[in-house]
Amino acid sequence: DQQVKQNSPSLSVQEGRISILNCDYTNSMFDYFLWYKKYPAEGPTFLISISSIKDKNEDGRFTVFLNKSAKHLSLHIVPSQPGDSAVYFCAASATGANNLFFGTGTRLTVIP
Amino acid sequence: KAGVTQTPRYLIKTRGQQVTLSCSPISGHRSVSWYQQTPGQGLQFLFEYFSETQRNKGNFPGRFSGRQFSNSRSEMNVSTLELGDSALYLCASSPGDYSYNEQFFGPGTRLTVL
Repeated sequence: DQQVKQNSPSLSVQEGRISILNCDYTNSMFDYFLWYKKYPAEGPTFLISISSIKDKNEDGRFTVFLNKSAKHLSLHIVPSQPGDSAVYFCAASATGANNLFFGTGTRLTVIP
Repeated sequence: KAGVTQTPRYLIKTRGQQVTLSCSPISGHRSVSWYQQTPGQGLQFLFEYFSETQRNKGNFPGRFSGRQFSNSRSEMNVSTLELGDSALYLCASSPGDYSYNEQFFGPGTRLTVL
């Protein structure tokens, strides 16, 4: 069963606009969440993370929001740039575990 | 600091054969995790090794096995290959001390089973 879900396989956004990528999870034990970005022929690279004690974390153009009651998190990219075009994976982990549960990914295309 | 390296990058095998993939973690990292990426399935966790011991295991058949050496390098073995084993196999390393460190991924090994 897929404990982390990304229901949008793809998203297209105009350059300069906001990109919003969504992720849902089912396991209430998850308390740490990460976003990874993946280009073709490369491994995923870490982008930003958030602990369950927070509801927002910002890093430059990237902000992650966590809604624990809804078991939902989102990644906002503002402004979007063509170089942001990649597959974005949401991942989650629980205290005491050293493995990540990944979503199926969302392919973001930023149109110049 | 050198990143995670995986060899080989590409591999073609036939059904029934076995394959061994190799991963060298970032220097100082003691945890190595393996993931399988297939279209539509995202990254599925295979197993994690820490200090030469398997610490975590995903839901894969026994044909998938691994080991870790004293220098933290890890190998993954798949025996009796099936067509469905065609995938990108990713290795990730982290310090492994259960702090909330992100995992650092290698470029992956693309396995094609014919």
